Amino acid sequence: DIQMTQSPSTLSASVGDRVTITCRASESINIWLAWYQQKPGKAPKLLIYRASNLEGGVPSRFRGVGSGTEFTLTISGLQPDDFATYYCQQYNSYSYSFGQGTKLELK
Amino acid sequence: EVQLVESGGGLVQPGKSLRLSCSASGFNFEDFALHWVRQSPGRGLEWVAGIDATSPTAVYADSVKGRFTISRDNAKNFLFLQMSDLRSEDTALYYCVKGGFQLLFHWFDPWGQGTPVTVSS
Repeated sequence: DIQMTQSPSTLSASVGDRVTITCRASESINIWLAWYQQKPGKAPKLLIYRASNLEGGVPSRFRGVGSGTEFTLTISGLQPDDFATYYCQQYNSYSYSFGQGTKLELK
Repeated sequence: EVQLVESGGGLVQPGKSLRLSCSASGFNFEDFALHWVRQSPGRGLEWVAGIDATSPTAVYADSVKGRFTISRDNAKNFLFLQMSDLRSEDTALYYCVKGGFQLLFHWFDPWGQGTPVTVSS
């Protein structure tokens, strides 16, 4: 099965900061990667698909980059609403594995 | 608006069975693959099973293969997950999720609100 490793596990930042979350796949997944945002008590929400495509309605301060085994999610100009947990997911193989999550917290 | 509403979760003893349902609306149900994903503090987000639109071909995580069965009723717009021989490690919030036209190469969107399953004596 493909393993997805996210880093860091926790990220402390302030409103207005730019932050980057990294996701590494144990083997190549081409561009078949999604990023989700989850807030407490809510279901995950799709932010980015195919590694770099922004889902409709998602602010342009979210940016996904990468292919193969290395991917990043960058949020520029953090807003109060962005403090949440972020997950990457590969959908290249039937394990559809997720990263362990990155909790973005207010410094 | 696409809506997925899960039901059927609850408290169940180890070794017993439970059937989850997901009612779908707002899209051409019969055209899309659907999945179950679960989330627990110990295991994080874990894909459980998926079913394509028409075959229907079903695929399962190794952790549930042989114990869980995913199925769908395209006439009534329902997705099901029959869970048997339940174990404590199956305790989680179970989400119904919409995929794409085929099982692979498509992201999960949207997600239902989840239904909780607790396996305990």
